[in-house]
Amino acid sequence: GEDVEQSLFLSVREGDSSVINCTYTDSSSTYLYWYKQEPGAGLQLLTYIFSNMDMKQDQRLTVLLNKKDKHLSLRIADTQTGDSAIYFCAESNFNKFYFGSGTKLNVKP
Amino acid sequence: NAGVTQTPKFRVLKTGQSMTLLCAQDMNHEYMYWYRQDPGMGLRLIHYSVGEGTTAKGEVPDGYNVSRLKKQNFLLGLESAAPSQTSVYFCASSYRGLGTGELFFGEGSRLTVL
Repeated sequence: GEDVEQSLFLSVREGDSSVINCTYTDSSSTYLYWYKQEPGAGLQLLTYIFSNMDMKQDQRLTVLLNKKDKHLSLRIADTQTGDSAIYFCAESNFNKFYFGSGTKLNVKP
Repeated sequence: NAGVTQTPKFRVLKTGQSMTLLCAQDMNHEYMYWYRQDPGMGLRLIHYSVGEGTTAKGEVPDGYNVSRLKKQNFLLGLESAAPSQTSVYFCASSYRGLGTGELFFGEGSRLTVL
């Protein structure tokens, strides 16, 4: 299968910005996603970006896509303790959907 | 507003025992999926279904069977459980096919095989 890689942990202070990074290998990916998993819960879609876009902003979330380098990032502005969770990057191409291993975001008060 | 519901949420099995995980969705989605989540490995697709009466293998299908007799239900079976099947299992559904739309996830079923 295709590889989607993320760093495992990120720790930030409340009020700072968080940047979670992801790299993928499938150059034919059509959509790239960020999912959030809170403790004891399933994954919920946070945001997604179509592969012909460079950036997408949604309130405190900014997604940047560098298709040349196959690099996706999620920036969370003004990070709150409620943002503490595991964040999964995922890529898709029609009949394929691959998840990264998840980045655990810890927000310190 | 139930969405995707999985039962049971927790189960402990002995090696060799069998069990079935039930997934139910009330969104009239055609597509349903079973994933397993293991530490440091993300989610891996076990089996999926593109409609009532259909099933297909995903990345890691060995040791599992599935059935989709009704559109709203997708069952995952373990005929002879092994310790390697200790994991958290997630069911998901979508309106459109894999890779073309949002997946809606259940809350997960934690299975321990001793």
